[in-house]
Amino acid sequence: AQSVTQLDSQVPVFEEAPVELRCNYSSSVSVYLFWYVQYPNQGLQLLLKYLSGSTLVKGINGFEAEFNKSQTSFHLRKPSVHISDTAEYFCAVRGNSGGYQKVTFGIGTKLQVIP
Amino acid sequence: DSGVTQTPKHLITATGQRVTLRCSPRSGDLSVYWYQQSLDQGLQFLIQYYNGEERAKGNILERFSAQQFPDLHSELNLSSLELGDSALYFCASSVVGGPGDGYTFGSGTRLTVV
Repeated sequence: AQSVTQLDSQVPVFEEAPVELRCNYSSSVSVYLFWYVQYPNQGLQLLLKYLSGSTLVKGINGFEAEFNKSQTSFHLRKPSVHISDTAEYFCAVRGNSGGYQKVTFGIGTKLQVIP
Repeated sequence: DSGVTQTPKHLITATGQRVTLRCSPRSGDLSVYWYQQSLDQGLQFLIQYYNGEERAKGNILERFSAQQFPDLHSELNLSSLELGDSALYFCASSVVGGPGDGYTFGSGTRLTVV
């Protein structure tokens, strides 16, 4: 079975400061990893994804994530946050489960950017 | 606008009733997924359709059913509604449902059961 753990339910950070949102996963097979962002009253939007190759993945809005196989982590980072980054962020893992490609989402991390 | 259209945006109904949620996937996408989002359980996968056929089933209750029509739009039917069914219901779509596909989500239907 696969699972995703987002270690922080809320992360407050001052504007222009760096931020890291943590995500750990477990899976017995090769996985594909994703980060999504959900702004208030909206659906989820894909930020970035890791399929293979370089372990550092760059996404939209200046976000990047690093895949670490040995630590089974896929942490999301941004060097300088803006007020507009205030949103909920979801880590997701996609792997083969029972013959299907199943996607499991974490419970989300609320990023609050403080002016 | 993500390209995935969900209607209605809000729905208030009484316990025991039945409702239908509708989703039109992004143009060109063949796979449709339904998710339930609640405060206590996060995003829960309900069901996936690919080109009209059920592909995968998640934590979908027997009171719930779904289908995907030839024009690829999908409907999620919720019956014998209970207070605990109040949640945001999201539809997402992807091109073929392959492992590297990211999902495109609609803006959701907020269901309130009173």
